[in-house]
Amino acid sequence: KAGVTQTPRYLIKTRGQQVTLSCSPISGHRSVSWYQQTPGQGLQFLFEYFSETQRNKGNFPGRFSGRQFSNSRSEMNVSTLELGDSALYLCASSRLPTGELFFGEGSRLTVL
Amino acid sequence: DQQVKQNSPSLSVQEGRISILNCDYTNSMFDYFLWYKKYPAEGPTFLISISSIKDKNEDGRFTVFLNKSAKHLSLHIVPSQPGDSAVYFCAASDETSGSRLTFGEGTQLTVNP
Repeated sequence: KAGVTQTPRYLIKTRGQQVTLSCSPISGHRSVSWYQQTPGQGLQFLFEYFSETQRNKGNFPGRFSGRQFSNSRSEMNVSTLELGDSALYLCASSRLPTGELFFGEGSRLTVL
Repeated sequence: DQQVKQNSPSLSVQEGRISILNCDYTNSMFDYFLWYKKYPAEGPTFLISISSIKDKNEDGRFTVFLNKSAKHLSLHIVPSQPGDSAVYFCAASDETSGSRLTFGEGTQLTVNP
C-alpha cells in the first residue's frame, strides 16, 4: 500500500515568489491535513480538508491556502513568500478526520 | 500559547535501559493523545495513542501513561534500542478537532550502544 506522497521534496524560492506543494494521500483516505515544521516549534497545524471541504484552519496568514480535489489529492499554496516561511511542510492523511495520521516525507522549502 | 509542552529537548540513555519521555498539556478539552516518532528526512510515524478514558496503553516495548489530574503523559520504552534514536513528538486532540493535532516541540532521544 503506497504511503502519502509529497512533491516536490525540496525547493528553493526567493522572497515575494509563490509556491505550490502537492500531496497524494493513501488510497482510500479522504482526510488530508497540512503541518509546518520549523526548528524549535514542533509541528504547527495549517489546515485540514475532508471530501474537498476545508474543515479546520490554523493560525496562519491568508498567504497560506489550500484545496482538495475530488480524488482526495491536495495542494497548498503560499504566496508572497517571506524568509520565515522556510520550513518543512508535512502532509498527512487519514481515512476519517479523526485519530491517527499518516505523514508524508515532507516538502522542504527554503526562501532566500 | 503552547498547549502541549515537551520540556526536555533531548534525552540520552544506554541501550537496554528505560527511556521515559514526558509531555504536559494545558487544555482540559484534550481527550486523545498520540506519540509520533520522526527520523531525519522522513515524516513522523505513529507510535502509540491513548484515550482519556484510560490511564495506560501498552504496545510491545512502548507504554504510554496518562495522568489526567496532572495533565501529564509519558512514553516509556523498555528496553531501549539504538534504532529508537529519533525525535519523539507528543500530540493531543479533542472530539471537535478532527485531524487537527496539537503537537509538542519534540524530544530528541539518543540511545547509546
